[in-house]
Amino acid sequence: GIQVEQSPPDLILQEGANSTLRCNFSDSVNNLQWFHQNPWGQLINLFYIPSGTKQNGRLSATTVATERYSLLYISSSQTTDSGVYFCAVHANFGNEKLTFGTGTRLTIIP
Amino acid sequence: EAGVVQSPRYKIIEKKQPVAFWCNPISGHNTLYWYLQNLGQGPELLIRYENEEAVDDSQLPKDRFSAERLKGVDSTLKIQPAELGDSAVYLCASSSEWTSGVDTQYFGPGTRLTVL
Repeated sequence: GIQVEQSPPDLILQEGANSTLRCNFSDSVNNLQWFHQNPWGQLINLFYIPSGTKQNGRLSATTVATERYSLLYISSSQTTDSGVYFCAVHANFGNEKLTFGTGTRLTIIP
Repeated sequence: EAGVVQSPRYKIIEKKQPVAFWCNPISGHNTLYWYLQNLGQGPELLIRYENEEAVDDSQLPKDRFSAERLKGVDSTLKIQPAELGDSAVYLCASSSEWTSGVDTQYFGPGTRLTVL
């Protein structure tokens, strides 16, 4: 099946800093989503972005489908941004389930 | 609009006991998913429903796990008997449409199961 790798696995930043999270996938996809799982375990859908660029406040995401990667940008980090960020994809072919990466754990220090 | 509701939030049982989890999806969402999330990992799909039909249950361990969505709305996931390795968070999600993988899934808060 499709492989989804995220980097870095862990990231610790001071409040106010910017960060870039990366998601690499091994095959072509027709669906890519970014999720934030807060410290209480709730998964929040951030972006549906199989290609192109989207922005929502301090967050933006870019997916370059031809090169099989996506980036999530967080600017002016706040402590509420802490948690685990997951990238999840649907492969174009084969088993069409949503496959999650292993996540990036982000810790924002006040 | 209410989100995906799950209960209970936490459950502690002894091994070999049965356990059941309940999920109520967002109103109007025809597609419902159950996921398993082990510590430090991303969620993994167990089963997907389109209305009351289980259209993908290939990842469900059918010897001990079962699920139902009788009226195409809320759903129950059961484990009988539970094993130590079943300790995990069980997540329910729903979406309004599923066409060749194009859907936006909304997740519930999950049920954290501990098997002693």
